[in-house]
Amino acid sequence: GAVVSQHPSRVICKSGTSVKIECRSLDFQATTMFWYRQFPKKSLMLMATSNEGSKATYEQGVEKDKFLINHASLTLSTLTVTSAHPEDSSFYICSARDGAQWTQYFGPGTRLTVL
Amino acid sequence: GQQLNQSPQSMFIQEGEDVSMNCTSSSIFNTWLWYKQDPGEGPVLLIALYKAGELTSNGRLTAQFGITRKDSFLNISASIPSDVGIYFCAGQNSGAGSYQLTFGKGTKLSVIP
Repeated sequence: GAVVSQHPSRVICKSGTSVKIECRSLDFQATTMFWYRQFPKKSLMLMATSNEGSKATYEQGVEKDKFLINHASLTLSTLTVTSAHPEDSSFYICSARDGAQWTQYFGPGTRLTVL
Repeated sequence: GQQLNQSPQSMFIQEGEDVSMNCTSSSIFNTWLWYKQDPGEGPVLLIALYKAGELTSNGRLTAQFGITRKDSFLNISASIPSDVGIYFCAGQNSGAGSYQLTFGKGTKLSVIP
C-alpha cells in the first residue's frame, strides 16, 4: 500500500516551453500533496503544499506563477513549470499524505532537463 | 528553511558491519521519519517514529525517537551491498494542520563488499 506515482519520469524540453508533471496516489486518498525540488547531492527542498480543492501554499522564494500547482482530486496533483529555463533543470519529487496518517509517501521523482 | 543536523555526511563501511547515523534539532518534533533514497529515485520510507523514547525495528534497521524529541538515530546491522544509498532523517510537527517535513542533509552510505 501507500504507492505514489509520478509521470513522466524524465522530460527534456526547450527553453521557453511549459512542462506538466503529474503526481498520483494509487491506493489511498491524499488529502495533502507536497512538491519538492532536489539539486544534485543535496537534500529535498519543499516548494509548495497543496490541499485538495484549495490553492497551494508556496514556500518563500518559490514563484507561484512559474510553478503552477493544481490539486483537483484526492488522488492527483500536477506541477506545471511554465516558460522553463535551464536553471529550472532539476529533480522534482512529490509526496502525498494519507488523510488518516501523518506520514508522507514519496513518488519516484521526475528529472527535468531544460535545453 | 530550517534543517536538521544529520551526521555523518558520508561513511564507507565493510559489508557485514553495523552502521549508525543520527539527527539532532534545536526544536522539538512530534514525529521522526527515516527515508532512504537511491540515485534517480524518490525517498522510500524506512521507519516512522511517533512517540518520544520509541524504539522501532524494521528488519535489520532500528531507529529511536529521542526522549527530548530533538534527536533520533538509525542503526543498520550487518550491512549488505544493497544498503548503499542516501539516508535522510525528517522531523514533522502536525500541529495547526501543517504536515511539512524538515529534512536532514543526508548520510551517504557506501558498502564495500
